[in-house]
Amino acid sequence: AQSVTQLDSHVSVSEGTPVLLRCNYSSSYSPSLFWYVQHPNKGLQLLLKYTSAATLVKGINGFEAEFKKSETSFHLTKPSAHMSDAAEYFCAVSDYGGATNKLIFGTGTLLAVQP
Amino acid sequence: NAGVTQTPKFQVLKTGQSMTLQCAQDMNHEYMSWYRQDPGMGLRLIHYSVGAGITDQGEVPNGYNVSRSTTEDFPLRLLSAAPSQTSVYFCASSSPLPDTQYFGPGTRLTVL
Repeated sequence: AQSVTQLDSHVSVSEGTPVLLRCNYSSSYSPSLFWYVQHPNKGLQLLLKYTSAATLVKGINGFEAEFKKSETSFHLTKPSAHMSDAAEYFCAVSDYGGATNKLIFGTGTLLAVQP
Repeated sequence: NAGVTQTPKFQVLKTGQSMTLQCAQDMNHEYMSWYRQDPGMGLRLIHYSVGAGITDQGEVPNGYNVSRSTTEDFPLRLLSAAPSQTSVYFCASSSPLPDTQYFGPGTRLTVL
C-alpha cells in the first residue's frame, strides 16, 4: 500500500534563506507524487507534480522537487524563502496502480518564515 | 470557469442532525472525491467517484454517504452527525489522466 511520511511537522526559516521540506514515500507501483500548499483558511493549491518524466520537477513560485527512487524521497526546495511562502505544505502519492486517482497525503509541514 | 465550489463555507450542527455538503465542478471532470482534514492528520479520503453513477469508499467512510447522479455534482451526506465529524471537508476533482486534483475552498463543520 502507498504511504507518505513528511519528516518535519514544523520548519522555520529566515526570509532569503533556503527552504527544505522533506517527504519520503512508499509505493508498490511507479508512483506519481505531488506537493500541495495550503494558506490559512484556504483550499489546497498544486505546487508541482512528478509523473515519471524528468526527476527534477519545477513548480510555481520558485519551488522544485527531486524524485529519488533509490532513497524513496521527493523533497521540496526553494533557494530563497519569501514571507508569502509561510503556509502548510502537503506531500501526496497517487494510487496510480489502482487507476482510481486516489491521493494519499502526508500529515503536513507548517513552514514559518521569519523576517 | 468557477472550478470546484463548495457550500456552505461554515456549518454548526447538533449531535444527531443530518445535513448535506454540496460540491460542484464545471471542468467536466470524471473523478471527484471528498476528504476531511484534521490537525496533525493531513487529509484523509472519505469517498470518491470515477464517474456518474459510480462511487466507492475511501479510508474513512463511516457516517457518510455519497451519490453521483451528474458529472458536475458530488454531495456528501452526514446521516446523524457526531462530534467526531467536526472537521474541515474538502471536495476535489480531476480528469482521469493526468491526475492533478483541483480542490474546493472547504467547508468547516462543527458538531456540538
